[in-house]
Amino acid sequence: GDSVTQKQGQVTLSEDDFLFINCTYSTTTYPTLFWYVQYPGQGPQLLLKVTTANNKGISRGFEATYDKGTTSFHLQKASVQESDSAVYFCALVKVSGSFNKLTFGAGTRLAVCP
Amino acid sequence: EAAVTQSPRNKVAVTGGKVTLSCNQTNNHNNMYWYRQDTGHGLRLIHYSYGAGSTEKGDIPDGYKASRPSQENFSLILELATPSQTSVYFCASGDRERSDYTFGSGTRLLVI
Repeated sequence: GDSVTQKQGQVTLSEDDFLFINCTYSTTTYPTLFWYVQYPGQGPQLLLKVTTANNKGISRGFEATYDKGTTSFHLQKASVQESDSAVYFCALVKVSGSFNKLTFGAGTRLAVCP
Repeated sequence: EAAVTQSPRNKVAVTGGKVTLSCNQTNNHNNMYWYRQDTGHGLRLIHYSYGAGSTEKGDIPDGYKASRPSQENFSLILELATPSQTSVYFCASGDRERSDYTFGSGTRLLVI
């Protein structure tokens, strides 16, 4: 079945550090890929989305590139701020008829120290 | 503004009791979902629905039922709650065109 792997459970950085969160996926097709962000006390919200057509997503300074060769979809940001502290989920979508099923990774908790 | 609203925000239940978690969406989306979130597991799909009157089992349906009486409302029912069902539950809505979901703010359930 489909799966998404995030090996980093927690990442701790200082402000202005470079962020890299690893995500790899396994599926039988070329899926649409997402990064969701979850702030404390809230539900996950869409951060960025990448399809096979565009290969790269950019939002709020975050960037992710779809690499079919390595089946990876890593999240990067050049300079993090304390307000970026949150949990980040990588996900893929599988479409079956009129139904979309999102499969999520385990999440990576980012803590940014001032 | 389109939204997904969950109630209650927090719930304490006793083992063996019945628990109903409610979800309402104003997005006019056909698809609705219930997930649970546990540390180390991310978000796991419990039940989903294509539209009013339909419910389908997700990846971890055991111990849960679902009900979709209307386009807007989707409930998750724990007939006999157990401590292993202590978790944070999220409802979401989505449509085929957008692919992504809109999540509610979650319900924190503690079963004692």
